[in-house]
Amino acid sequence: DAGVIQSPRHEVTEMGQEVTLRCKPISGHNSLFWYRQTMMRGLELLIYFNNNVPIDDSGMPEDRFSAKMPNASFSTLKIQPSEPRDSAVYFCASSDNRGGVYEQYFGPGTRLTVT
Amino acid sequence: QKEVEQNSGPLSVPEGAIASLNCTYSDRGSQSFFWYRQYSGKSPELIMSIYSNGDKEDGRFTAQLNKASQYVSLLIRDSQPSDSATYLCAVDPGYSSASKIIFGSGTRLSIRP
Repeated sequence: DAGVIQSPRHEVTEMGQEVTLRCKPISGHNSLFWYRQTMMRGLELLIYFNNNVPIDDSGMPEDRFSAKMPNASFSTLKIQPSEPRDSAVYFCASSDNRGGVYEQYFGPGTRLTVT
Repeated sequence: QKEVEQNSGPLSVPEGAIASLNCTYSDRGSQSFFWYRQYSGKSPELIMSIYSNGDKEDGRFTAQLNKASQYVSLLIRDSQPSDSATYLCAVDPGYSSASKIIFGSGTRLSIRP
């Protein structure tokens, strides 16, 4: 069974450009999470969805960040305009919480570099 | 106080010895506890889940949970160089019925030959 799929795996862009990261959760999972990881701040939860509905976006750093989940098999995280401080690894994770179990499974991540 | 705390390390353990990783959490309502392993440049990988007080064993790994003292630990027996990684402790926040979990900052483990 395929795990969480993320694209692109690497993204290099110039400051001010729009960046879109994509995620396909594990089939049958009903929760999806976007994280950002840096050496300085560790793993930070940005936003998560239950049944395609955003539940908590308090971790989204500012209005330049937005996330959508139009259906159960696809989500995007968009940064517009991008800034050098957005450089990080962005992970998507999914889980099936219907049994009250919160095990999350991570995708391979997107390494974003903003110059 | 951070919700989930771990010693950042690095923790250096000789090959073949037992590596002991510890984690404390702040919310007494937490019910679900996880250990993730993250190799450099890779994504976190779930290696253990524990929900009840006591020990849970899986191969060379043993997770220990003590809810009264609010700590969870991971023991790695017969440590191998391939166990060298950062280990992340994660806990459900307890105060919410939602599915998010809170991660600690991780402990770097180094197994020396």
